[in-house]
Amino acid sequence: AQTVTQSQPEMSVQEAETVTLSCTYDTSESDYYLFWYKQPPSRQMILVIRQEAYKQQNATENRFSVNFQKAAKSFSLKISDSQLGDAAMYFCAYTSPTSGGSNYKLTFGKGTLLTVNP
Amino acid sequence: DVKVTQSSRYLVKRTGEKVFLECVQDMDHENMFWYRQDPGLGLRLIYFSYDVKMKEKGDIPEGYSVSREKKERFSLILESASTNQTSMYLCASSRRTSLPVEQFFGPGTRLTVL
Repeated sequence: AQTVTQSQPEMSVQEAETVTLSCTYDTSESDYYLFWYKQPPSRQMILVIRQEAYKQQNATENRFSVNFQKAAKSFSLKISDSQLGDAAMYFCAYTSPTSGGSNYKLTFGKGTLLTVNP
Repeated sequence: DVKVTQSSRYLVKRTGEKVFLECVQDMDHENMFWYRQDPGLGLRLIYFSYDVKMKEKGDIPEGYSVSREKKERFSLILESASTNQTSMYLCASSRRTSLPVEQFFGPGTRLTVL
């Protein structure tokens, strides 16, 4: 079974600084997709960024970027120029075509709570 | 704007009660999901549905059932609530496509079973 590990239960960063959240996963699949979701204190989870395993180029979305190391099965999230609004729980998630066919069930890590200090 | 709503933000029930958690999405999504979220455990999939009246068990279905009579509505049922079902419950929906797409989440229901 696929597993997703987030080894940092909590992280903190100073406003305007850069922080990297770690995620590793275990899979025997070659075709899969990885996601970072953000859950702010209001609790509505939103997608931050996604990465297709077949793409070598790291995904970026404005201040958010990933470092995808396929051989190491590592998928870290870098937040640049951190803002107070970035404070949230961040979840790494994995899915593959074998994870429920076209319905693409997600397997989540346990989350990293990010605090942004002014 | 995409929207997933859940019937209650907070709910307090007694052990043994039958509990209904409702989720409604307005995006015409085929897939709907119920997760429970516990500190230190992340999100765990309870059930999902890929069409009206269709359902499949997730990773932790024991003690739960679901109902999907209409495309936009997916209900989670606790037949006889127990204290170990005290948790945050999140509903999500997504389109059914040939590639993984974003799941859209509701605000969650914090259920306390006394």
